Amino acid sequence: NFMLTQPHSVSESPGKTVTISCTRTGGSIASNYVQWYQQRPGSSPTAVIYEDKQRPSGVPDRFSGSIDSSSNSASLTISGLKTEDEADYYCHSYDSSNQVFGGGTKLTVL
Amino acid sequence: QVQLVQSGSELKEPGASVKVSCKASGYTFTSYAMNWVRQAPGQGLEWMGWINTNTGNPTYAQGFTGRFVFSLDTSVSTAYLQISSLEAEDTAVYYCARGVNTGYFDSWGQGTLVTVSS
Repeated sequence: NFMLTQPHSVSESPGKTVTISCTRTGGSIASNYVQWYQQRPGSSPTAVIYEDKQRPSGVPDRFSGSIDSSSNSASLTISGLKTEDEADYYCHSYDSSNQVFGGGTKLTVL
Repeated sequence: QVQLVQSGSELKEPGASVKVSCKASGYTFTSYAMNWVRQAPGQGLEWMGWINTNTGNPTYAQGFTGRFVFSLDTSVSTAYLQISSLEAEDTAVYYCARGVNTGYFDSWGQGTLVTVSS
């Protein structure tokens, strides 16, 4: 089994850039795809990044994903922050028998 | 378009059972896995397991064996989650989520709130 660890919260001002990390413990981050989901209060999660760096249709290019094997972590970067980006963000990956979510990061845009 | 529509909120007493449905539309139901995800109040997402919609074979994550059962009715493109012997700790929102073969959950239901209280 493995774990994905995210910071509990991050905050940044509108128009700025923020990066949320997701560190894998147990196994290589590069061995299985990483997804990122956005969840606004009272709503279902929706993907903003899949397969490490792909954006679903309709997700603006302000959202980008990357993998860093040296730190065994994935990152979600949101540029040109808007107040509507304020939400919880979850990373997600898997191995041969399990799907795992990170604990979630609350993004505050203030 | 792909849609997953779940059944409505439930209020149950401890020890009772509940069955949550997830009706799929807009795609061939048996071509994609169906996952179940739990979110306790104020907490994060927790993967419960998945069911192979082609074979009906379920796989349960650690911590979700025994009282949790995944099932299907492919004639109506619907997946079900049944929880028996409900406990207060089962109070949560339960989501179904379609799984793509690369591990990506590309479509989610709206969630079903199950509240366990006497």
